[in-house]
Amino acid sequence: NAGVTQTPKFQVLKTGQSMTLQCAQDMNHEYMSWYRQDPGMGLRLIHYSVGAGITDQGEVPNGYNVSRSTTEDFPLRLLSAAPSQTSVYFCASSPQGAAAGELFFGEGSRLTVL
Amino acid sequence: GQQVMQIPQYQHVQEGEDFTTYCNSSTTLSNIQWYKQRPGGHPVFLIQLVKSGEVKKQKRLTFQFGEAKKNSSLHITATQTTDVGTYFCSNNAGNMLTFGGGTRLMVKP
Repeated sequence: NAGVTQTPKFQVLKTGQSMTLQCAQDMNHEYMSWYRQDPGMGLRLIHYSVGAGITDQGEVPNGYNVSRSTTEDFPLRLLSAAPSQTSVYFCASSPQGAAAGELFFGEGSRLTVL
Repeated sequence: GQQVMQIPQYQHVQEGEDFTTYCNSSTTLSNIQWYKQRPGGHPVFLIQLVKSGEVKKQKRLTFQFGEAKKNSSLHITATQTTDVGTYFCSNNAGNMLTFGGGTRLMVKP
């Protein structure tokens, strides 16, 4: 049982480049979300999805796009990377939505934007 | 989610000493969750508290939810080096689950 899988684990981009962080879960969870973690700032919610075809903005959505075409996958797109987007990104899923409080996290993707 | 503030931001303890981290809100919370993140790792869910005044224990960890549901604490008795990491509280409002800034625990052997 793989749980939540994120790829790539590490990525270096130049300012203005685009890329997609992949997230896949094999637990049939309806709820998925993306967080970024910066030193001393905890985890901040970027976007979330309560099911296939449904996405919504979190606390810091600017500069990021998401889509949810299947239950399993929830990719995060950076259309034009900026140095301020250097961070560690975590994807998380939950079987009962945010109300249940228990998120299962992937191992993270460390992104550096030069 | 409603904003929750955690204190302290950092804590150094000698192995065997106790440790407490606090999570505070200016508004009433519907629930609160606690997570642990080991250095270089990802957050792992520990527990959820829902009821006013609720107390739950997991071995050396004691979790409390305040009577007014505006604060919570995590207490570790007799810390061990395996307790090293950052402890986060979180809460949800609707479909958004947001986190406090975390308390980083360092344990000196």
